[in-house]
Amino acid sequence: DTGVSQDPRHKITKRGQNVTFRCDPISEHNRLYWYRQTLGQGPEFLTYFQNEAQLEKSRLLSDRFSAERPKGSFSTLEIQRTEQGDSAMYLCASSLETGYYGYTFGSGTRLTVV
Amino acid sequence: KQEVTQIPAALSVPEGENLVLNCSFTDSAIYNLQWFRQDPGKGLTSLLLIQSSQREQTSGRLNASLDKSSGRSTLYIAASQPGDSATYLCAVTEGRLYFGRGTQLTVWP
Repeated sequence: DTGVSQDPRHKITKRGQNVTFRCDPISEHNRLYWYRQTLGQGPEFLTYFQNEAQLEKSRLLSDRFSAERPKGSFSTLEIQRTEQGDSAMYLCASSLETGYYGYTFGSGTRLTVV
Repeated sequence: KQEVTQIPAALSVPEGENLVLNCSFTDSAIYNLQWFRQDPGKGLTSLLLIQSSQREQTSGRLNASLDKSSGRSTLYIAASQPGDSATYLCAVTEGRLYFGRGTQLTVWP
């Protein structure tokens, strides 16, 4: 197992287009998290899953954002009708249960909306 | 709501100095505290994890302490090197991670 994988590494899209990102967690980790980070800020929580169940979603997450983890393994994050304000680094992390043994992050997907 | 604050926001030092980065949090009911390093445009690399029952952790030139009762953690970097230049993020766990804004460290030769 090589850690948490995210794809793509970079995405440039035109405003109004839909984009989808993928995250593959560490195989034995049952929790998966999505965070968003803009320049000069700490990562901001978006949502998290335990197995296939989405347990929490940030109030900051608009209806244009949706995330899935259909079989409790990989996850996808989709942004519909992208806006320039969506430009950010999207980070995925995974952990065992409550994260007592720590969290492992992927390399992130850099989204630029033009 | 858990809030995490990191001081200073930025730090620029000559090589060889010993450094202290500070992190404070408002709710002491945490599972653990984790320090991360982030290089520009990259993801987060875990440096040290301190579980709630522990007081400190060490790895090489890094030492992190945790005082839950006062809501504080410090990251001590000994004999800093230019390769230590990065942003250092503190995060506490209450079911998920709550992050500070980070300390941007520059170590010049």
